[in-house]
Amino acid sequence: QSVLTQPPSVSAAPGQKVTISCSGGISNIGNNHVHWFQQLPGTAPKLLIRDTSKRPSGIPDRFSGSKSGTSATLVITGLRTGDEADYYCAAWDNSLSSGVFGGGTKLTVL
Amino acid sequence: EVQLVQSGAEVKKPGESLKISCKGSGYSFTNFWIGWVRQMPGKGLEWMGIIYPSDSDTRYSPSFQGQVSISVDKSISTAYLQWTSLKASDIGMYYCTRGRDQVEFDYWGQGTLITVSS
Repeated sequence: QSVLTQPPSVSAAPGQKVTISCSGGISNIGNNHVHWFQQLPGTAPKLLIRDTSKRPSGIPDRFSGSKSGTSATLVITGLRTGDEADYYCAAWDNSLSSGVFGGGTKLTVL
Repeated sequence: EVQLVQSGAEVKKPGESLKISCKGSGYSFTNFWIGWVRQMPGKGLEWMGIIYPSDSDTRYSPSFQGQVSISVDKSISTAYLQWTSLKASDIGMYYCTRGRDQVEFDYWGQGTLITVSS
């Protein structure tokens, strides 16, 4: 059972928009930045969104992040088949004094 | 170019010890955290712990505290993850990562696959 809760899977058609939620609590998302990672099949994860809403260099603006209270959201627009991957949120947890990941969300582009 | 190069796959027996490595290059090794992340087969990412090479400040997830040890040799820009007695449940892919902070992991190693079987 992950400290951060994500839907196990989401799906949408090419060109459409998808949102992936990440629900936590006061000790993690509520008081700390959220980071998002993309893991393509068979590869190491990659940083997709840092500090809740910032895109690292090279990440297209189709990917965006936001936060409200104790929940964070990753939005992907203009979906491509190459976006099929597992997506993870992560944050520092002040109560655990540890980082925590969400359980991951598998994106299928139909 | 920033690179994290991990040691190769390991096949071990329960009860054996193991130390895997992660060598950083292309950046100032002592100025960034090194994190370790586990991924069991078909499962998600788990934050294990981190170390700051400059002063060896180390933090562990409660789930991994006492189960593994994280260390660093900054003279050779290398971090380590160590077990004294492996269990069958330690199987998985282990990634080292470079951290701008304790969770913002901007570069990842290629992973080290650990198999534990009698």
